[in-house]
Amino acid sequence: AQSVTQLDSHVSVSEGTPVLLRCNYSSSYSPSLFWYVQHPNKGLQLLLKYTSAATLVKGINGFEAEFKKSETSFHLTKPSAHMSDAAEYFCVVSDGSSASKIIFGSGTRLSIRP
Amino acid sequence: GAGVSQSPSNKVTEKGKDVELRCDPISGHTALYWYRQSLGQGLEFLIYFQGNSAPDKSGLPSDRFSAERTGGSVSTLTIQRTQQEDSAVYLCASSPLVGDRGYPSTDTQYFGPGTRLTVL
Repeated sequence: AQSVTQLDSHVSVSEGTPVLLRCNYSSSYSPSLFWYVQHPNKGLQLLLKYTSAATLVKGINGFEAEFKKSETSFHLTKPSAHMSDAAEYFCVVSDGSSASKIIFGSGTRLSIRP
Repeated sequence: GAGVSQSPSNKVTEKGKDVELRCDPISGHTALYWYRQSLGQGLEFLIYFQGNSAPDKSGLPSDRFSAERTGGSVSTLTIQRTQQEDSAVYLCASSPLVGDRGYPSTDTQYFGPGTRLTVL
């Protein structure tokens, strides 16, 4: 069975400082992993994905994530936070077997302090 | 171009009433997903339509929930005899093509803004 855990429900950082949103997963197969962002009153937007190629994945808006199999982690990072990064972030795991096996984490709300 | 649209954006109903939620996918997208997002929770898969194939209904929580997709385009999610625990944001997503694993891969999903359902 698959699962995904986002370790922090809320993260607050100052503008210009690094961002770290943590995600751990469990999967019986080689998973695909994704990060989505949801701005208020907007639809979810794909930030980046890992599908067994390079373990360091670069996404949009300066975000990146590193797949660490030994730690079963896929943490999202950004070197310098911007006010526009304030949103809800979802980590997603998929084992590729069916549409119903795409599992979303519970989300991390990122707040940016001026 | 136009993205995925959902209507209504907000729906307040009384317990026991039926509700219909509508999703207009991006034109030409063959796959359509419904998800439910409860407060503080991740997205819960409900149902998936792919072309003319039988839908994957494995995520529907009870027989009060049903969905249809007419003409391979617009989809309606119906909840009968609503209960307070049905209160949530219902999200629709569409996808333009079938991936190499036989279903659209997650990165091609385009999400609508959702319908916020409140059952009093």
